[in-house]
Amino acid sequence: DAMVIQNPRYQVTQFGKPVTLSCSQTLNHNVMYWYQQKSSQAPKLLFHYYDKDFNNEADTPDNFQSRRPNTSFCFLDIRSPGLGDAAMYLCATSRDLGRLAGVGETQYFGPGTRLLVL
Amino acid sequence: DQQVKQNSPSLSVQEGRISILNCDYTNSMFDYFLWYKKYPAEGPTFLISISSIKDKNEDGRFTVFLNKSAKHLSLHIVPSQPGDSAVYFCAASDQGGKLIFGQGTELSVKP
Repeated sequence: DAMVIQNPRYQVTQFGKPVTLSCSQTLNHNVMYWYQQKSSQAPKLLFHYYDKDFNNEADTPDNFQSRRPNTSFCFLDIRSPGLGDAAMYLCATSRDLGRLAGVGETQYFGPGTRLLVL
Repeated sequence: DQQVKQNSPSLSVQEGRISILNCDYTNSMFDYFLWYKKYPAEGPTFLISISSIKDKNEDGRFTVFLNKSAKHLSLHIVPSQPGDSAVYFCAASDQGGKLIFGQGTELSVKP
């Protein structure tokens, strides 16, 4: 089955210690997204890649970086995690960004990585 | 400034009855709307979508209604089943394709 995979499912890191979360997809989609979701809140978009083009949201802290070495993989790097960065991190993909004939693009999500910062 | 709002954090329904989840938006440029279902410790799963050129889309037990003049959409689940118990997120996007999510409504379907 085509899918979006995130590893690990749970990650514990120490305050200030860099951590990398990974996402892979077998859908061959052009766009990959990273969201942050805290308890009882809406998922918040951090950034996305359209192919190799990186698009950062204006309010995403510099502490968060991303890499997409190829179509299938995308990484989220948190350079110096703070206690406030503890959250669920969701990766999603979509076939495209653009809109054809009024039909929108659906995003497909992975299971998420829950990050705990000690 | 929340552009997509789900004002009911929770909803409890009896098995077999109708579940109605509501969502309001403020940005008139939104033209594509989606509902996602999320179980604990899992990512959101796409459920159903609707384009702004329609006012209704149906898929099995799930129907989404869009009222553009009121900037309101709703998800109807008929009949509700215990396995439908989850958090439901509505999301909206404009031509840029970026999704804006509501905070979610936790549905509990009781046997």
